[in-house]
Amino acid sequence: EAGVAQSPRYKIIEKRQSVAFWCNPISGHATLYWYQQILGQGPKLLIQFQNNGVVDDSQLPKDRFSAERLKGVDSTLKIQPAKLEDSAVYLCASSLGVTSVGETQYFGPGTRLLVL
Amino acid sequence: QQPVQSPQAVILREGEDAVINCSSSKALYSVHWYRQKHGEAPVFLMILLKGGEQKGHEKISASFNEKKQQSSLYLTASQLSYSGTYFCGTEAPLSNDYKLSFGAGTTVTVRA
Repeated sequence: EAGVAQSPRYKIIEKRQSVAFWCNPISGHATLYWYQQILGQGPKLLIQFQNNGVVDDSQLPKDRFSAERLKGVDSTLKIQPAKLEDSAVYLCASSLGVTSVGETQYFGPGTRLLVL
Repeated sequence: QQPVQSPQAVILREGEDAVINCSSSKALYSVHWYRQKHGEAPVFLMILLKGGEQKGHEKISASFNEKKQQSSLYLTASQLSYSGTYFCGTEAPLSNDYKLSFGAGTTVTVRA
């Protein structure tokens, strides 16, 4: 079974530029998550989708971050404009069920973003 | 609110044992354990649901004390492959809002 795919793997941009990340979850997984992992910290949930609807985006900085999940499958996360503090690894994860309770989340390899 | 993990780091020799603790101030529904190697994605180890169950994965096991709102991960007879950062993720239901909150991680280094 193919895992969660993410691209690009690395991205270097200058502050105030925009950037987009792409995620393809495990086939058939209803729930998709985007996490931000700053060096030395655990992953922090940014947004959670169930199928193509947003369940939780309470920790998403909505003035600069946006995300969508087209047709309940692939998802993109965008940052516009980027700030220095956005430098982090952006992890995408997916889980099978339509509710996330007690569900195992499977992570992709992440996109490492460096903002200069 | 994220759980608190201890210790922050541990260094072991092959064959030694270690315990990693994960504590929360909230009543927990479940605890998830992941291991992440440098530059790689977190890999799922096990999930423990409320009920005080214990689970195992190879020579790695975990317990969940619902009353104390804490979980412990036991690394037994450690192998070089056990090196990495271990994260616990906790679900604390509040108004049906289930969200996985991760601790800051415990870095485990196993030396030959």
